[in-house]
Amino acid sequence: DVKVTQSSRYLVKRTGEKVFLECVQDMDHENMFWYRQDPGLGLRLIYFSYDVKMKEKGDIPEGYSVSREKKERFSLILESASTNQTSMYLCASSSIDRAAFRGGYNEQFFGPGTRLTVL
Amino acid sequence: QQQVKQSPQSLIVQKGGIPIINCAYENTAFDYFPWYQQFPGKGPALLIAIRPDVSEKKEGRFTISFNKSAKQFSLHIMDSQPGDSATYFCAASRGGANSKLTFGKGITLSVRP
Repeated sequence: DVKVTQSSRYLVKRTGEKVFLECVQDMDHENMFWYRQDPGLGLRLIYFSYDVKMKEKGDIPEGYSVSREKKERFSLILESASTNQTSMYLCASSSIDRAAFRGGYNEQFFGPGTRLTVL
Repeated sequence: QQQVKQSPQSLIVQKGGIPIINCAYENTAFDYFPWYQQFPGKGPALLIAIRPDVSEKKEGRFTISFNKSAKQFSLHIMDSQPGDSATYFCAASRGGANSKLTFGKGITLSVRP
């Protein structure tokens, strides 16, 4: 059974703190993604990675950075947290193997999310 | 620029009804159109997906209808149940193993008993 885990379900931080959100997948997937989910705005892509040490900006990368040192782990970093980064953060992964899953190579598997509150 | 637009924003139906959720896209290079379902406290999960070589795909009570010329696709839920109450996202992507999904804003569906 596929599994994407995120380090925390709930996190409370103060403005200006450095925040690390960790994501681990056990499916040997090449692609990993970080989204934030806000009411009325849906899922917005922050960063994604298609290989170890590779990263690409998504639609809203400002204020965030990422790290992927190992294939199974993708970290999202808020260098200096601000109140407008209060949100639900979702990690996802996908395979480049077209035949791997019923959704083909585009199917993304999501973790349960981290609810981050910045005070 | 919002490339994938969902409507309506919320939907309430009675048990047994057939909710229909619509999605419109702009990028004609998109060739993969999934619907994701999200329950409270969970991450989204793939519900059903379609590629533009077919106009309809059915899996159980869920059907996607696809209109390539109108750049629209929709999700129909037959015989809806209270357990179908969730947030539904449409999405679209271009081909390629490293492609990324562009999501709509999501719709909250409530199925009343």
